[in-house]
Amino acid sequence: AQSVAQPEDQVNVAEGNPLTVKCTYSVSGNPYLFWYVQYPNRGLQFLLKYITGDNLVKGSYGFEAEFNKSQTSFHLKKPSALVSDSALYFCAILSGNTPLVFGKGTRLSVIA
Amino acid sequence: SQTIHQWPATLVQPVGSPLSLECTVEGTSNPNLYWYRQAAGRGLQLLFYSVGIGQISSEVPQNLSASRPQDRQFILSSKKLLLSDSGFYLCAWSDQFVEAFFGQGTRLTVV
Repeated sequence: AQSVAQPEDQVNVAEGNPLTVKCTYSVSGNPYLFWYVQYPNRGLQFLLKYITGDNLVKGSYGFEAEFNKSQTSFHLKKPSALVSDSALYFCAILSGNTPLVFGKGTRLSVIA
Repeated sequence: SQTIHQWPATLVQPVGSPLSLECTVEGTSNPNLYWYRQAAGRGLQLLFYSVGIGQISSEVPQNLSASRPQDRQFILSSKKLLLSDSGFYLCAWSDQFVEAFFGQGTRLTVV
């Protein structure tokens, strides 16, 4: 069975600094990997996905993620954080004919 | 374009009362539909998913049930709510088992 792990419950970063939100995965086949963002009392918004091809995936709001097969990771990154990026971020995985499996989420706090 | 509607946004219900949350999708046909629950603003738990009318898969045993009476309608129900049913309920859809798109959620408080 596939799974994702987000090892950090909370990430704090100063505005203007680069940010990284970590995600590692476990799957027997080729994974499809996703990042979502959730603002308070709202549904999840899709940010980006890796299906195949270039390991560096660019998504919404200036976010990007790098698929690393050898390290089984799919970390979310942004070169310069904004206060408005503060939210809950979820990594998710899909493999085979099953629904998305989500990580536990990482709360990002960007401090002005 | 496709849109997903989920209502109500908030709901306060007494213990032992019934529940019905509704979700509809527009702009697509034969979507995969999902119900997730999120407790305490953290991880998502998949409750039910459906690949077609009348086809419901349950991921965890619980006090809830789901139905899909129409192609783009997904309903989450309970006959008698428990305190532990409180949470944030999210409906989602996808064309295939690829990225899912979420509704705005329902905050359920059982008192």
